[in-house]
Amino acid sequence: GAGVSQTPSNKVTEKGKYVELRCDPISGHTALYWYRQSLGQGPEFLIYFQGTGAADDSGLPNDRFFAVRPEGSVSTLKIQRTERGDSAVYLCASSLGTTQFFGPGTRLTVL
Amino acid sequence: SQQGEEDPQALSIQEGENATMNCSYKTSINNLQWYRQNSGRGLVHLILIRSNEREKHSGRLRVTLDTSKKSSSLLITASRAADTASYFCATDAPGNQFYFGTGTSLTVIP
Repeated sequence: GAGVSQTPSNKVTEKGKYVELRCDPISGHTALYWYRQSLGQGPEFLIYFQGTGAADDSGLPNDRFFAVRPEGSVSTLKIQRTERGDSAVYLCASSLGTTQFFGPGTRLTVL
Repeated sequence: SQQGEEDPQALSIQEGENATMNCSYKTSINNLQWYRQNSGRGLVHLILIRSNEREKHSGRLRVTLDTSKKSSSLLITASRAADTASYFCATDAPGNQFYFGTGTSLTVIP
């Protein structure tokens, strides 16, 4: 089927607002990852789900960031009280084994 | 913090030449993978090498791994303009976290 999809592709918001970023993984992939990538940098690990549970959320920068995957498929990354420093491309990846398959990312701009 | 670092940060070569980029990492790993990224968006998996392997080939790609030096290299032979992209190494640490390096920006001049 289709690859990993992410919506929206671009999101512009104002400082202090709340945003939700969505990831639709490849069907059947049990593992789902979120990364953040700033310009000129490599992807930075945020959180990893195995099924519905967050197996590792040690990469979340602070408590303004939260992610859910209630049914073990679609995941939503939620950012509260956005700050200009949150501007980046947010990447989602899913996997069944070792290789991760990435979505196109959501470019978040906080004004 | 990111575990890997690629070297060089940027590389510019003529079409047909070989491109070599290196990756160093800090802790023990299960696997090391190389990814390509075009235009700062989604990454594409290129090749995986396991910690007990020393060299692996896939088409025009050749990857080496030296666990004693905690380093890997990616060689792209007979480069093409379409190979222009950023290349990242990624290591998987215990717990299934993935750590990406800072990337090498490759430009292949037609």
